[in-house]
Amino acid sequence: RKEVEQDPGPFNVPEGATVAFNCTYSNSASQSFFWYRQDCRKEPKLLMSVYSSGNEDGRFTAQLNRASQYISLLIRDSKLSDSATYLCVVTGGYQKVTFGIGTKLQVIP
Amino acid sequence: DAGVIQSPRHEVTEMGQEVTLRCKPISGHDYLFWYRQTMMRGLELLIYFNNNVPIDDSGMPEDRFSAKMPNASFSTLKIQPSEPRDSAVYFCASSWGGSGEAFFGQGTRLTVV
Repeated sequence: RKEVEQDPGPFNVPEGATVAFNCTYSNSASQSFFWYRQDCRKEPKLLMSVYSSGNEDGRFTAQLNRASQYISLLIRDSKLSDSATYLCVVTGGYQKVTFGIGTKLQVIP
Repeated sequence: DAGVIQSPRHEVTEMGQEVTLRCKPISGHDYLFWYRQTMMRGLELLIYFNNNVPIDDSGMPEDRFSAKMPNASFSTLKIQPSEPRDSAVYFCASSWGGSGEAFFGQGTRLTVV
């Protein structure tokens, strides 16, 4: 089983739609969780951290479920500019950072 | 801050040649990561350093790959000899221990023909 698993998509959604991605992780001792965004032919950049209590940043909401070992990202009112690949990231012991393969989102006009 | 700086941005080389990729992390960061990204496998962690010391190199595909970090401001990833299957984008990233946020360089796009 992969350490971090994501549905690669693509998810094609119309502008204004709400879309959600899940990501599962295998190591129950994982410590920190993040969502990164990667635009085509660019480097990944931090989108948001994921806290146990859940957190929101504008149209973006991230949640963590430690019991089921998954994190989620919800995007409301999708914009064309949200089109990108969203990478789930899990950090374990000694700050080892493991990325999921990424979920590709395409927002359609 | 200039961010993580990688060079070269693009590299085209012939099979069998030695390739050296370079990275300058963000000043003050104590972790440095080397990743490889392909369409099929996504982002794979090759090796990472803490305070210039290699911590985990289990992701290095084989002996043809080696990485060094002689000081806090410089790291290299070397492939010798290179093979066509090494073609990928290689990213270097750095972070400050405890923050969990990794900052990436713009990557080196390697093509081995």
